[in-house]
Amino acid sequence: DQQVKQNSPSLSVQEGRISILNCDYTNSMFDYFLWYKKYPAEGPTFLISISSIKDKNEDGRFTVFLNKSAKHLSLHIVPSQPGDSAVYFCAASAIGTASKLTFGTGTRLQVTL
Amino acid sequence: NAGVMQNPRHLVRRRGQEARLRCSPMKGHSHVYWYRQLPEEGLKFMVYLQKENIIDESGMPKERFSAEFPKEGPSILRIQQVVRGDSAAYFCASSPREGAYEQYFGPGTRLTVT
Repeated sequence: DQQVKQNSPSLSVQEGRISILNCDYTNSMFDYFLWYKKYPAEGPTFLISISSIKDKNEDGRFTVFLNKSAKHLSLHIVPSQPGDSAVYFCAASAIGTASKLTFGTGTRLQVTL
Repeated sequence: NAGVMQNPRHLVRRRGQEARLRCSPMKGHSHVYWYRQLPEEGLKFMVYLQKENIIDESGMPKERFSAEFPKEGPSILRIQQVVRGDSAAYFCASSPREGAYEQYFGPGTRLTVT
C-alpha cells in the first residue's frame, strides 16, 4: 500500500529552466509534507516542507505547492542548476504519529548543461 | 560538524550472523528514527525511539530485529540471524523534540548479506 506516490522515476531538465517534481498521496490523515534531496551514498537532506494549512511555501529557488483537494503536491526549482541533480523524495507525516515519515519512491532529477 | 553519525558505513555479514548498526544523533537531539531503503525503493519507517524508550516500532519486522537507545551512548539497531533479504541501506534520523517534523538523516549503513 503505497500511500505516497511519485509516479515519475526520472526527470531531465536543462540548466536555467524550471524543474517540477510531483507527488500524490492517499492518506487523508497526512498533515505535514516534506521534500528531501539525496545524493548517492549519502543520507537524505531536508529541503523544504509545508503544513496542510498552507498551499504554498517558498525558500529561495525552491517552492512547494499543496493541493489538498487533489491530494497532490509539487516541488518547483527555479532556476535549475547542475548541482540540483539528485534523487528527490516526497515524505508525509500523519496526525498523531509522532512525526513518523512515509516516503515516496523518489524522482531522479538530472539537470543538463 | 555535529551531524548524525552512523557506523559502520558498510557492513558485510554472512547469512545467520548478527548485524549491529549504530547511530549517534545530532547534539541536543533526543529523538531517533530508523528507516530502511531497499534497492530502487523509498525509505520505509522501522522504529522511533526516545532515550530509553521505544515509542513506535510499527515498522519493525516482528522477529530478528530489535532497537534500543540507552541513556548513554548511541542508538543501536540489531538484526539477528541475517538473511539475504536484509541487504539494504539503513538510515538513522534524529529530531530535537517530539512533534518536530523535520528529521535530520545520517549517511546510512549499507548492509550486505552474503
